[in-house]
Amino acid sequence: GIQVEQSPPDLILQEGANSTLRCNFSDSVNNLQWFHQNPWGQLINLFYIPSGTKQNGRLSATTVATERYSLLYISSSQTTDSGVYFCAGGNTGANSKLTFGKGITLSVRP
Amino acid sequence: NAGVMQNPRHLVRRRGQEARLRCSPMKGHSHVYWYRQLPEEGLKFMVYLQKENIIDESGMPKERFSAEFPKEGPSILRIQQVVRGDSAAYFCASSPRGVRGGELFFGEGSRLTVL
Repeated sequence: GIQVEQSPPDLILQEGANSTLRCNFSDSVNNLQWFHQNPWGQLINLFYIPSGTKQNGRLSATTVATERYSLLYISSSQTTDSGVYFCAGGNTGANSKLTFGKGITLSVRP
Repeated sequence: NAGVMQNPRHLVRRRGQEARLRCSPMKGHSHVYWYRQLPEEGLKFMVYLQKENIIDESGMPKERFSAEFPKEGPSILRIQQVVRGDSAAYFCASSPRGVRGGELFFGEGSRLTVL
């Protein structure tokens, strides 16, 4: 099955800083999502981005499908950005599912 | 349009009891996925169901675990004779056409604690 690697595993930022989170896939995917799991455990959909670039406020994401990676950019980070960021990928085979990475734990300090 | 609804949000069971976790997908979604998250870990796939059918159960433990998604009503994840190692958060996700159809949406999870 697909292997998903996320880096760095942990990240500590000062409020206002920018960061880049990376996700690598072992095989081609044509479904790719980024999630934020907040400190209460809720999984929040950030982006559905099998290819290209999307932006939503201070967050943006880019997926280079041919090179099997995706990047999540957080600009002007806030303490509410803290939590765990997961990427997950899958292909459109008949029985496909999303495979998750281990997550990146982000702590934003005031 | 209500999101994916899971209940109970928290469940406490003693070893040997049964746990039943329910998931109502978003309206119009007929594809349901169950994932398990152990503390400090990512989400692990368990089972993929469509209405009345199990499509992929490759992530389900061979014993004590079962899942269904009947024609009417929510999807059920059932754990028989629970053990302490079953303590985890169980997340359900739904989509209109599965992974091929785009985004999966997750519920808030059911947190099982086995005493």
